[in-house]
Amino acid sequence: AQSVTQLGSHVSVSEGALVLLRCNYSSSVPPYLFWYVQYPNQGLQLLLKYTSAATLVKGINGFEAEFKKSETSFHLTKPSAHMSDAAEYFCAVTGGQTGANNLFFGTGTRLTVIP
Amino acid sequence: NAGVTQTPKFQVLKTGQSMTLQCAQDMNHNSMYWYRQDPGMGLRLIYYSASEGTTDKGEVPNGYNVSRLNKREFSLRLESAAPSQTSVYFCASSVRDRANYGYTFGSGTRLTVV
Repeated sequence: AQSVTQLGSHVSVSEGALVLLRCNYSSSVPPYLFWYVQYPNQGLQLLLKYTSAATLVKGINGFEAEFKKSETSFHLTKPSAHMSDAAEYFCAVTGGQTGANNLFFGTGTRLTVIP
Repeated sequence: NAGVTQTPKFQVLKTGQSMTLQCAQDMNHNSMYWYRQDPGMGLRLIYYSASEGTTDKGEVPNGYNVSRLNKREFSLRLESAAPSQTSVYFCASSVRDRANYGYTFGSGTRLTVV
Protein backbone atom coordinates (compact mmCIF):
# COMPACT_ATOMS: atom_id res chain seq x y z
CA ALA A 1 0.00 0.00 0.00
CA GLN A 2 1.11 3.54 -0.66
CA SER A 3 0.54 6.76 1.25
CA VAL A 4 2.03 10.20 1.65
CA THR A 5 2.24 12.57 4.59
CA GLN A 6 2.61 16.28 4.05
CA LEU A 7 4.00 18.08 7.08
CA GLY A 8 2.35 21.43 7.61
CA SER A 9 -1.07 22.25 6.22
CA HIS A 10 -0.09 25.91 5.93
CA VAL A 11 3.29 27.42 5.10
CA SER A 12 4.02 31.15 4.87
CA VAL A 13 7.15 32.61 3.31
CA SER A 14 8.25 36.08 2.36
CA GLU A 15 8.61 36.97 -1.29
CA GLY A 16 12.13 36.04 -2.37
CA ALA A 17 12.63 33.52 0.44
CA LEU A 18 13.21 29.79 0.09
CA VAL A 19 10.14 27.61 -0.31
CA LEU A 20 10.29 24.16 1.33
CA LEU A 21 7.23 21.91 1.33
CA ARG A 22 7.67 18.55 2.98
CA CYS A 23 6.43 15.18 1.82
CA ASN A 24 7.20 11.74 3.21
CA TYR A 25 5.94 8.61 1.56
CA SER A 26 5.24 5.05 2.47
CA SER A 27 5.37 2.39 -0.17
CA SER A 28 5.93 -1.36 -0.20
CA VAL A 29 7.21 -1.15 -3.78
CA PRO A 30 9.46 1.34 -5.57
CA PRO A 31 7.37 4.48 -5.72
CA TYR A 32 6.54 7.00 -8.37
CA LEU A 33 6.12 10.40 -6.75
CA PHE A 34 4.44 13.56 -7.90
CA TRP A 35 3.86 17.14 -6.88
CA TYR A 36 0.73 18.91 -8.07
CA VAL A 37 -0.28 22.54 -7.65
CA GLN A 38 -3.82 23.85 -7.37
CA TYR A 39 -4.61 27.51 -7.86
CA PRO A 40 -7.89 28.84 -6.46
CA ASN A 41 -10.98 27.43 -8.15
CA GLN A 42 -8.91 25.41 -10.60
CA GLY A 43 -7.97 21.80 -11.13
CA LEU A 44 -4.63 20.24 -10.28
CA GLN A 45 -1.61 20.85 -12.47
CA LEU A 46 1.43 18.59 -12.53
CA LEU A 47 4.55 20.36 -11.22
CA LEU A 48 7.02 17.49 -11.44
CA LYS A 49 7.38 13.76 -11.07
CA TYR A 50 9.91 11.16 -9.99
CA THR A 51 9.79 7.89 -11.91
CA SER A 52 13.05 6.19 -10.85
CA ALA A 53 15.42 8.11 -13.11
CA ALA A 54 17.37 11.06 -11.66
CA THR A 55 16.76 11.61 -7.96
CA LEU A 56 16.73 15.41 -8.36
CA VAL A 57 13.75 16.34 -10.44
CA LYS A 58 13.15 19.76 -11.94
CA GLY A 59 9.67 20.96 -12.68
CA ILE A 60 7.82 23.97 -13.94
CA ASN A 61 7.96 27.47 -12.45
CA GLY A 62 11.41 26.92 -10.92
CA PHE A 63 10.38 24.15 -8.53
CA GLU A 64 12.42 21.03 -7.90
CA ALA A 65 12.25 18.02 -5.62
CA GLU A 66 14.75 15.44 -4.46
CA PHE A 67 13.91 11.78 -3.94
CA LYS A 68 15.68 10.45 -0.84
CA LYS A 69 15.04 6.76 -0.38
CA SER A 70 16.88 6.60 2.97
CA GLU A 71 14.58 9.27 4.36
CA THR A 72 11.47 8.21 2.39
CA SER A 73 11.09 11.85 1.44
CA PHE A 74 10.29 13.90 -1.64
CA HIS A 75 10.40 17.51 -0.48
CA LEU A 76 9.54 20.34 -2.86
CA THR A 77 11.76 23.42 -2.99
CA LYS A 78 12.10 26.71 -4.80
CA PRO A 79 15.01 29.07 -4.11
CA SER A 80 13.03 32.30 -4.30
CA ALA A 81 9.28 32.58 -3.73
CA HIS A 82 7.15 34.68 -6.02
CA MET A 83 3.70 36.04 -5.30
CA SER A 84 2.32 33.86 -8.07
CA ASP A 85 3.43 30.73 -6.16
CA ALA A 86 0.61 31.18 -3.65
CA ALA A 87 -1.49 28.04 -4.08
CA GLU A 88 -2.16 24.64 -2.58
CA TYR A 89 0.38 21.92 -3.22
CA PHE A 90 -0.26 18.19 -3.16
CA CYS A 91 2.21 15.35 -2.98
CA ALA A 92 1.08 12.03 -4.44
CA VAL A 93 2.43 8.49 -4.76
CA THR A 94 1.79 5.40 -6.79
CA GLY A 95 3.87 2.49 -7.91
CA GLY A 96 4.32 -1.20 -8.45
CA GLN A 97 1.95 -3.64 -9.98
CA THR A 98 -0.70 -3.42 -7.30
CA GLY A 99 -2.69 -0.22 -7.28
CA ALA A 100 -0.76 1.11 -10.21
CA ASN A 101 -3.92 2.81 -11.40
CA ASN A 102 -4.29 4.92 -8.35
CA LEU A 103 -2.59 8.06 -7.19
CA PHE A 104 -2.70 8.48 -3.41
CA PHE A 105 -2.66 12.13 -2.40
CA GLY A 106 -1.50 13.89 0.70
CA THR A 107 -3.77 16.30 2.49
CA GLY A 108 -2.14 19.32 0.87
CA THR A 109 -0.08 22.32 1.96
CA ARG A 110 -1.36 25.81 1.39
CA LEU A 111 1.48 28.19 0.55
CA THR A 112 1.09 31.88 1.35
CA VAL A 113 3.64 34.36 0.01
CA ILE A 114 4.00 37.57 2.00
CA PRO A 115 4.99 40.70 0.06
CA ASN B 1 -6.76 21.60 -26.89
CA ALA B 2 -9.48 21.37 -24.24
CA GLY B 3 -7.94 18.55 -22.17
CA VAL B 4 -10.43 17.32 -19.56
CA THR B 5 -13.82 19.02 -19.51
CA GLN B 6 -16.25 18.68 -16.63
CA THR B 7 -19.87 19.78 -16.50
CA PRO B 8 -21.49 21.36 -14.64
CA LYS B 9 -19.08 23.61 -12.76
CA PHE B 10 -21.51 24.25 -9.90
CA GLN B 11 -24.59 22.41 -8.66
CA VAL B 12 -26.91 22.59 -5.68
CA LEU B 13 -29.02 19.53 -4.93
CA LYS B 14 -31.60 18.72 -2.33
CA THR B 15 -31.12 15.61 -0.23
CA GLY B 16 -32.42 12.60 -2.12
CA GLN B 17 -32.12 14.11 -5.58
CA SER B 18 -30.04 12.44 -8.25
CA MET B 19 -27.63 13.85 -10.77
CA THR B 20 -24.86 12.89 -13.15
CA LEU B 21 -21.52 14.65 -13.40
CA GLN B 22 -20.09 14.55 -16.88
CA CYS B 23 -16.44 14.27 -17.88
CA ALA B 24 -14.87 14.15 -21.32
CA GLN B 25 -11.26 14.13 -22.46
CA ASP B 26 -9.88 14.76 -25.93
CA MET B 27 -6.32 13.46 -25.43
CA ASN B 28 -7.01 9.84 -26.42
CA HIS B 29 -6.20 8.72 -22.88
CA ASN B 30 -7.03 5.17 -21.87
CA SER B 31 -7.62 5.68 -18.17
CA MET B 32 -10.02 8.00 -16.37
CA TYR B 33 -10.68 8.73 -12.71
CA TRP B 34 -13.12 10.47 -10.38
CA TYR B 35 -11.86 12.09 -7.18
CA ARG B 36 -13.52 14.10 -4.48
CA GLN B 37 -11.71 16.86 -2.61
CA ASP B 38 -12.66 17.81 0.93
CA PRO B 39 -10.91 20.33 3.21
CA GLY B 40 -8.04 18.77 5.12
CA MET B 41 -8.45 15.41 3.39
CA GLY B 42 -6.74 15.89 0.07
CA LEU B 43 -8.16 14.02 -2.92
CA ARG B 44 -9.75 10.64 -2.53
CA LEU B 45 -10.42 8.27 -5.39
CA ILE B 46 -14.07 7.36 -5.92
CA TYR B 47 -13.94 5.21 -9.05
CA TYR B 48 -11.62 4.68 -11.94
CA SER B 49 -11.66 3.18 -15.40
CA ALA B 50 -8.38 1.68 -16.55
CA SER B 51 -9.67 1.32 -20.10
CA GLU B 52 -12.87 1.56 -22.09
CA GLY B 53 -15.37 -0.99 -20.85
CA THR B 54 -13.89 -1.42 -17.36
CA THR B 55 -14.58 0.35 -14.06
CA ASP B 56 -13.33 -0.29 -10.53
CA LYS B 57 -13.96 1.06 -7.07
CA GLY B 58 -11.54 3.40 -5.38
CA GLU B 59 -11.29 4.44 -1.73
CA VAL B 60 -14.75 5.99 -1.30
CA PRO B 61 -17.22 4.45 -3.79
CA ASN B 62 -20.31 4.25 -1.56
CA GLY B 63 -23.21 6.32 -2.85
CA TYR B 64 -21.79 6.66 -6.37
CA ASN B 65 -21.98 4.85 -9.68
CA VAL B 66 -19.98 5.40 -12.85
CA SER B 67 -20.27 4.73 -16.54
CA ARG B 68 -17.45 4.66 -19.05
CA LEU B 69 -19.59 5.57 -22.04
CA ASN B 70 -16.75 5.39 -24.55
CA LYS B 71 -13.05 6.15 -24.59
CA ARG B 72 -13.66 9.89 -24.19
CA GLU B 73 -16.39 10.03 -21.57
CA PHE B 74 -16.63 8.92 -17.94
CA SER B 75 -19.66 9.96 -15.90
CA LEU B 76 -20.30 9.90 -12.15
CA ARG B 77 -23.83 9.45 -10.84
CA LEU B 78 -25.25 10.21 -7.44
CA GLU B 79 -28.50 8.24 -7.16
CA SER B 80 -29.73 9.78 -3.90
CA ALA B 81 -27.63 12.72 -2.83
CA ALA B 82 -26.70 13.19 0.82
CA PRO B 83 -25.17 16.21 2.60
CA SER B 84 -22.00 14.13 3.13
CA GLN B 85 -21.52 14.22 -0.63
CA THR B 86 -21.04 17.98 -0.59
CA SER B 87 -17.59 18.30 -2.10
CA VAL B 88 -15.55 19.34 -5.10
CA TYR B 89 -15.36 16.57 -7.67
CA PHE B 90 -12.48 16.21 -10.08
CA CYS B 91 -12.21 14.06 -13.13
CA ALA B 92 -8.77 13.09 -14.42
CA SER B 93 -7.29 11.05 -17.22
CA SER B 94 -3.95 9.44 -18.01
CA VAL B 95 -2.23 7.94 -21.01
CA ARG B 96 -2.10 4.45 -19.61
CA ASP B 97 -3.24 2.60 -16.55
CA ARG B 98 0.07 3.32 -14.87
CA ALA B 99 0.05 6.65 -13.15
CA ASN B 100 3.78 7.23 -13.69
CA TYR B 101 2.70 9.00 -16.84
CA GLY B 102 0.88 11.61 -14.73
CA TYR B 103 -2.73 12.67 -14.68
CA THR B 104 -4.52 15.56 -16.40
CA PHE B 105 -7.28 17.05 -14.27
CA GLY B 106 -10.46 18.88 -15.12
CA SER B 107 -11.34 22.13 -13.41
CA GLY B 108 -13.82 20.52 -11.04
CA THR B 109 -17.52 20.46 -10.14
CA ARG B 110 -18.49 22.12 -6.89
CA LEU B 111 -21.49 20.24 -5.49
CA THR B 112 -23.57 21.31 -2.51
CA VAL B 113 -26.24 19.02 -1.09
CA VAL B 114 -28.73 20.74 1.21
